[in-house]
Amino acid sequence: EAQVTQNPRYLITVTGKKLTVTCSQNMNHEYMSWYRQDPGLGLRQIYYSMNVEVTDKGDVPEGYKVSRKEKRNFPLILESPSPNQTSLYFCASSPPSGAMYNEQFFGPGTRLTVL
Amino acid sequence: KNQVEQSPQSLIILEGKNCTLQCNYTVSPFSNLRWYKQDTGRGPVSLTIMTFSENTKSNGRYTATLDADTKQSSLHITASQLSDSASYICVVSGGGGFKTIFGAGTRLFVKA
Repeated sequence: EAQVTQNPRYLITVTGKKLTVTCSQNMNHEYMSWYRQDPGLGLRQIYYSMNVEVTDKGDVPEGYKVSRKEKRNFPLILESPSPNQTSLYFCASSPPSGAMYNEQFFGPGTRLTVL
Repeated sequence: KNQVEQSPQSLIILEGKNCTLQCNYTVSPFSNLRWYKQDTGRGPVSLTIMTFSENTKSNGRYTATLDADTKQSSLHITASQLSDSASYICVVSGGGGFKTIFGAGTRLFVKA
């Protein structure tokens, strides 16, 4: 089944404890992206990747890192999480021409709470 | 500033009734506009996409319209069903580069 998977789905952690949220897609998509969704706000883009080893900042990249060592995986890294990073996170992927013209396929989301 | 604004914020309708959701945007240059449906606790799923030259696009009971001159779009839902209860998100691509700007969404509740 074509899908985007994220792990973990739920995570409660403490301030400063490094964590990684994994994202994997099996559709051979070049484009991948991370978003956070907060109440009353639209999804905001954190980082995106047009292809392997190519990443770029979105609108809210502060406090996050990403890597794209292989096409199928795009992990989101929080080196020193803070309470303002408590949010619902979505990973998405899209075919070669990117999000401009193609549908983004979203993962199920990761609900992160930072105490 | 590139922005997407949706109205209303939330809406309650009775099953079987029609409704229309609004989206205004200031994204420039404009590439395309999508409507997504997001069920509670799940990722968004695309309903329709329209480019600059398209005025309307249908997907079953969902019909989206686009007025690129006034930078407005609407999503019309016909004969609503309980399963239509969800958030509907307007997404505009453009603004230079590969920008994708999401609206905050309209939360629709369909009651029996």
